Amino acid sequence: KNEVEQSPQNLTAQEGEFITINCSYSVGISALHWLQQHPGGGIVSLFMLSSGKKKHGRLIATINIQEKHSSLHITASHPRDSAVYICAVRSLWGADGLTFGKGSHLIIQP
Amino acid sequence: NAGVTQTPKFRILKIGQSMTLQCTQDMNHNYMYWYRQDPGMGLKLIYYSVGAGITDKGEVPNGYNVSRSTTEDFPLRLELAAPSQTSVYFCASGGGLAGSTDTQYFGPGTRLTVL
Repeated sequence: KNEVEQSPQNLTAQEGEFITINCSYSVGISALHWLQQHPGGGIVSLFMLSSGKKKHGRLIATINIQEKHSSLHITASHPRDSAVYICAVRSLWGADGLTFGKGSHLIIQP
Repeated sequence: NAGVTQTPKFRILKIGQSMTLQCTQDMNHNYMYWYRQDPGMGLKLIYYSVGAGITDKGEVPNGYNVSRSTTEDFPLRLELAAPSQTSVYFCASGGGLAGSTDTQYFGPGTRLTVL
């Protein structure tokens, strides 16, 4: 069973700061997802990675398969980035579907 | 496209009652999933389906049943509701050309309380 750990669990930062959220997992994966959950509860997929790096606007996601580690970076953070960011992995073996971390709660203050 | 839709949005059940959570997707995805989200915990997979007529258990299937008679619909049935099933339930779909590793699209969730 894959164990997915995220850090930090909670983060409060000032607008404009560079934000990093980390994710580590315990066994081999075929894909890693970064998701965003806003206070209203809806979940949106930000990235799906199997190697390297992806960028979308101010968001950057990286993955190191050998070290079983991924990071999500937010540049020039804004209060609208306040949300829970969730890391999830699709393991190489076992049931289809994702194994999720507990999420990282980010608050960006103006 | 409406994406993934779920009904109802909220529901309160009494212990022992049964209900069906509806999930429909209009993206012609093969893969569909049911997850539950408990406070302070990560989402957990209840059941999933890789196509019409095919379903399989996830991590926490006890107390639930599913069916997949069409590509679009994947209802989740709760039999004999228990307080431990109080949770927020998310349906998701995915699985284009990349199969199960493809991006997943989530419904808005159903908040269920069992009293």
